[in-house]
Amino acid sequence: QQQVKQSPQSLIVQKGGIPIINCAYENTAFDYFPWYQQFPGKGPALLIAIRPDVSEKKEGRFTISFNKSAKQFSLHIMDSQPGDSATYFCAAGYNTDKHIFGTGTRLQVFP
Amino acid sequence: GAGVSQSPRYKVAKRGQDVALRCDPISGHVSLFWYQQALGQGPEFLTYFQNEAQLDKSGLPSDRFFAERPEGSVSTLKIQRTQQEDSAVYLCASSFRKGASIYFGEGSWLTVV
Repeated sequence: QQQVKQSPQSLIVQKGGIPIINCAYENTAFDYFPWYQQFPGKGPALLIAIRPDVSEKKEGRFTISFNKSAKQFSLHIMDSQPGDSATYFCAAGYNTDKHIFGTGTRLQVFP
Repeated sequence: GAGVSQSPRYKVAKRGQDVALRCDPISGHVSLFWYQQALGQGPEFLTYFQNEAQLDKSGLPSDRFFAERPEGSVSTLKIQRTQQEDSAVYLCASSFRKGASIYFGEGSWLTVV
């Protein structure tokens, strides 16, 4: 019940494409759903987060879509750039405390 | 400092050796977290402090793992009698207060040989 399932494991898009990464959770007590970006050799960095009282949130080129009834949420990256190439992790948690992370999606954006 | 600072960045330990990993959170941050990240995996929660109080240690994998934050700022994660399965990146994170965004350090890479 504590798992967060993330897909796909890897994703390759061309510059300007819109990669979409999906996550599903089981525990309805989770109330905070962040996405993190991680470059090799670096720690995860918070990109954007959403709470279950909204269905969508946009920050710059990043959008989270949230479906509370399906217990799913996804990250969309608009107008993707080669600099977006990184590993992306979804997570779920209680407030912003203890996170349960997904297994990660390695994104490659080719010029 | 400007961010969460961890040391050492890289540590090679012989099996059975004790190691200590240090975390300097962002100044003024009261919440501090330790996570373990195995190669190719997502981070897994180890433990959580609010100031000097360890409020959750449910993720510590065994009694060989011990964390402390005696003065509510710097934290140390200690691993006794290291084993090969302890090889991972140990990430420290902090937040200004309960409910605020979490900031991760770059991690301490531990290899047990």
